Amino acid sequence: QSALTQPASVSGSPGQSITISCTGTSSDVGGYNYVSWYQQHPGKAPKLMIYDVSNRPSGVSNRFSGSKSGNTASLTISGLQAEDEADYYCSSYTSSSTLNVFGTGTKVTVL
Amino acid sequence: QLQLQESGPGLVKPSETLSLTCTVSGGSISSSDYYWGWIRQPPGKGLEWIGSIYYSGSTYYNPSLKSRVTISVDTSKNQFFLKLSSVTAADTATYYCARHVNGAWDFDYWGQGTLVTVSS
Repeated sequence: QSALTQPASVSGSPGQSITISCTGTSSDVGGYNYVSWYQQHPGKAPKLMIYDVSNRPSGVSNRFSGSKSGNTASLTISGLQAEDEADYYCSSYTSSSTLNVFGTGTKVTVL
Repeated sequence: QLQLQESGPGLVKPSETLSLTCTVSGGSISSSDYYWGWIRQPPGKGLEWIGSIYYSGSTYYNPSLKSRVTISVDTSKNQFFLKLSSVTAADTATYYCARHVNGAWDFDYWGQGTLVTVSS
C-alpha cells in the first residue's frame, strides 16, 4: 500500500485561501468516507483537523474545511493566517491489509 | 482532559528490541469506544501507522512491520506498549502513541512523541 499523494508544498498570502489535495485510489480515499487531515507544527505532535472527510473536531477553526471528489480529498484553509504555517497530512482507511494509510505530507507556507 | 505520554529508551542498538510505553491519563484505556495506536515518523519524513490495540488485547498491525511488532496492553496500569524487534537504522524515528475511535481511523488524541535512535 503506497502513501496517499499530496503536493510537497503550497503557499499563500495572509487572508487568501489555499487547497491541499490528497489523491488515493478506489480502495481508500475513493471508496470510503474515512479521510482525516492533520496539522503538524515543527517538533510537535500532529493535531486532528478534519475527520470523516468534512467534519471538524470541537475547537478547530471553521477556516478549515474538507471535501472529496472521486479518489481525491481536499483540505481548504480560508483566511490564511501565519499560525497556519505547518505540515499537513491526510489519512484514509484502506481496504488493503494496511488498514490505514497516511499521505506524503504538504508544507504550507504563509508568504 | 485525556493525555498520552510515551516513555522508553532514546537509544537502541541495531538488532535489539525497541520497547516503548504509553501511559494514558484523564481517561480509561478500558473504554469500549476506542483503540490505542502507535504511529512513527522518521526525521524529516512522513507518518506511518504501526498498529493498534483494543483494551481486550485485540490488535491490528501494519503488514509491513507485522513480523517484528508486538503491541500489548495493561488495563490495570492504564498503559499500552510497543515492542519492535531486530531494529535497524531505518527504525530511527519519533514514535507517537494516539487514540482512535473503534471502527474509525482518525487519531484524536496524541502523545508528544519520543525520538528513538538506532545506533551502535
